[in-house]
Amino acid sequence: GDSVTQMEGPVTLSEEAFLTINCTYTATGYPSLFWYVQYPGEGLQLLLKATKADDKGSNKGFEATYRKETTSFHLEKGSVQVSDSAVYFCALSEGSGANNLFFGTGTRLTVIP
Amino acid sequence: EAGVAQSPRYKIIEKRQSVAFWCNPISGHATLYWYQQILGQGPKLLIQFQNNGVVDDSQLPKDRFSAERLKGVDSTLKIQPAKLEDSAVYLCASSLDPQTLLYNSPLHFGNGTRLTVT
Repeated sequence: GDSVTQMEGPVTLSEEAFLTINCTYTATGYPSLFWYVQYPGEGLQLLLKATKADDKGSNKGFEATYRKETTSFHLEKGSVQVSDSAVYFCALSEGSGANNLFFGTGTRLTVIP
Repeated sequence: EAGVAQSPRYKIIEKRQSVAFWCNPISGHATLYWYQQILGQGPKLLIQFQNNGVVDDSQLPKDRFSAERLKGVDSTLKIQPAKLEDSAVYLCASSLDPQTLLYNSPLHFGNGTRLTVT
């Protein structure tokens, strides 16, 4: 079945450091891929997405590229800020409905000044 | 716009007791979802409503969990009787349309209700 494997956390970085959070997936077809973020005390929100191979999703300085050959969708940011401290979830869907949305276990990021 | 509202924020009950959670989606959102997020895991879909009808409840443990959305707006999720393994955060989400994941504003999540069963 479909699944998502995320880099285990927690991850602690200094401000302005480079961030990578690894995500790999298993799917029977051609899924869409997502990164969701959960800031402290807030609900989950979509950070970025990619719907086909080689697509790059980007938002708020974060990027992730859909790599079909390595079944990966790693999240990167060149210079993190304290305000990026949150839990990040990788997710996939093989359909357009949310009943087909599968989440990874989440990676907690803490950025220290 | 107002977000998805959930209450209560926290609930502590003993096993075998009953509990209910309430969700008010964003105004005009036809589709409503309940997710269960166990500590250290990602959210897992329990049930999806389209207006007041159930679209998918294949992951809902129907022997103890029930959900309704009688007027196609607010929804309640009930657990009766609760077990220790039901301890989790219960998330409600809504969207304008079920075919939403490819759009720029897909699911809108509430802050969740944290349930502790002792």
